[in-house]
Amino acid sequence: DAGVTQSPTHLIKTRGQHVTLRCSPISGHKSVSWYQQVLGQGPQFIFQYYEKEERGRGNFPDRFSARQFPNYSSELNVNALLLGDSALYLCASTLLSSYNEQFFGPGTRLTVL
Amino acid sequence: AQSVTQPDIHITVSEGASLELRCNYSYGATPYLFWYVQSPGQGLQLLLKYFSGDTLVQGIKGFEAEFKRSQSSFNLRKPSVHWSDAAEYFCAVGPQTGANNLFFGTGTRLTVIP
Repeated sequence: DAGVTQSPTHLIKTRGQHVTLRCSPISGHKSVSWYQQVLGQGPQFIFQYYEKEERGRGNFPDRFSARQFPNYSSELNVNALLLGDSALYLCASTLLSSYNEQFFGPGTRLTVL
Repeated sequence: AQSVTQPDIHITVSEGASLELRCNYSYGATPYLFWYVQSPGQGLQLLLKYFSGDTLVQGIKGFEAEFKRSQSSFNLRKPSVHWSDAAEYFCAVGPQTGANNLFFGTGTRLTVIP
């Protein structure tokens, strides 16, 4: 069975641009969470989506948005990129909305120049 | 406010030696507790988790962790380290109900010397 997949693997953008990151959860999982991991730090929670609805949001500015599609895949969008947005963006999928084990994808490495 | 403290930024051990990685947490309610491992350029792999019951939990790759409620700790141990254990280790806490958000520590980088 395929695990959580994310695309693209790497991405380079310049300040002020917009970026879209994609995530496909494990088959049968209905919840997707997004995390930002800055170099040298632990991951920080950005969003959780379950059945296409936002179930949780971390302390991130409105430049960050996300959505979940009927097939449970998800997109993370970041507008007006800043240098500080450079990070590894991790997606995790869970079977249900409430706590279950989270399975992480390999991440998308975003570099903002 | 929730927080997870991993006081050791970097630990070096010899192959075959024992290992203990420390984790302390602050959380409003009784959380779920986790240890994840991250190899360079990779995502996170779950080593073990504590939800309830026996406070000594066994995980993959020969790791175990002990939950001590009185000390708000969840330390990770391994009796004999292998070179392939070199990686970054993250302790995390999460709510038992509500949104599925994990709070992570800053990680401990493990170096294994032959």
